Amino acid sequence: QLQLQESGPGLVKPLETLSLTCTVSGGSISTSSYYWGWIRQPPGKGLEWIGSIYYSGSIYYNPSLKNRVTISVDTSKNQFSLKLNSVTAADTAVYFCARHDRWGTVGFDSWGQGTLVTVSS
Amino acid sequence: DIQMTQSPSSLSASVGDRVTITCRASQSISSYLNWYQQKSGKAPKLLIYAASSLQSGVPSRFSGSGSGTDYTLTISSLQPEDFATYYCQHSYSFPYTFGQGTKLDIK
Repeated sequence: QLQLQESGPGLVKPLETLSLTCTVSGGSISTSSYYWGWIRQPPGKGLEWIGSIYYSGSIYYNPSLKNRVTISVDTSKNQFSLKLNSVTAADTAVYFCARHDRWGTVGFDSWGQGTLVTVSS
Repeated sequence: DIQMTQSPSSLSASVGDRVTITCRASQSISSYLNWYQQKSGKAPKLLIYAASSLQSGVPSRFSGSGSGTDYTLTISSLQPEDFATYYCQHSYSFPYTFGQGTKLDIK
C-alpha cells in the first residue's frame, strides 16, 4: 500500500526558507504513470496546489508562487522535496504531499497526512 | 488560470437527505473534474474522478455528473460520517485549482 509522509521543521522564521521532504513508501517514485505534488492549506481555508514533479525532472509550478518555490526529486531515496523561500505569515499552512496521474484523469489519489508549518519569529 | 466556483459554501442537512453540491469552471474542462472529502485535521480523500468515476472503496451513495463547465456531486442518502467539507478540483491543465469548498454540517 502506497504511503506518503511529509517531514521538516514545523516553525520557520519570516524571510527564511521553508524546506519539506515527502518520503514515498510501498511503491516507486520512478513510475511512469504519476506526478508527485505539493498542496497547502492555510488554517481554516481552502486548498492550494503548489506544484508537481515527474521522476525524470519535469516540473510544473503554480504561477502565484513560481518565483519563490523549488521542487526536486531524489529517486535514489524515493523522496521529493519542496523549498519555499522568503516566507511570510501568509505561508503558514498545513502542507500536503500527494500523487496524481500524469494525464490528469484521476486526480490526487494518495496523500500524506500533512504537516503544519508556522511562519513566526 | 481556470477558476473553480463551488456552491453553496455551506449546507446544513439531516441524515438520510439527498444533497447536491455544484462546481462551475471558468472555462470548459472536458470532465477533468475531481471531488474530495476532507474531515477536520485529515488529508483530503478522493471520492470521484473524471467527473463521474467512483474511486475504489468509496460508497455508491456518492455520485458525480456534469460536462463542459458545470459539475455536481450528489450524496443520495446522507450518513453520519459524510458530514465534512467537500472540494472540487480540475486537472484539465496546469495550474490545477480547487474550489473554495462546501462545508456540510448536521441540521
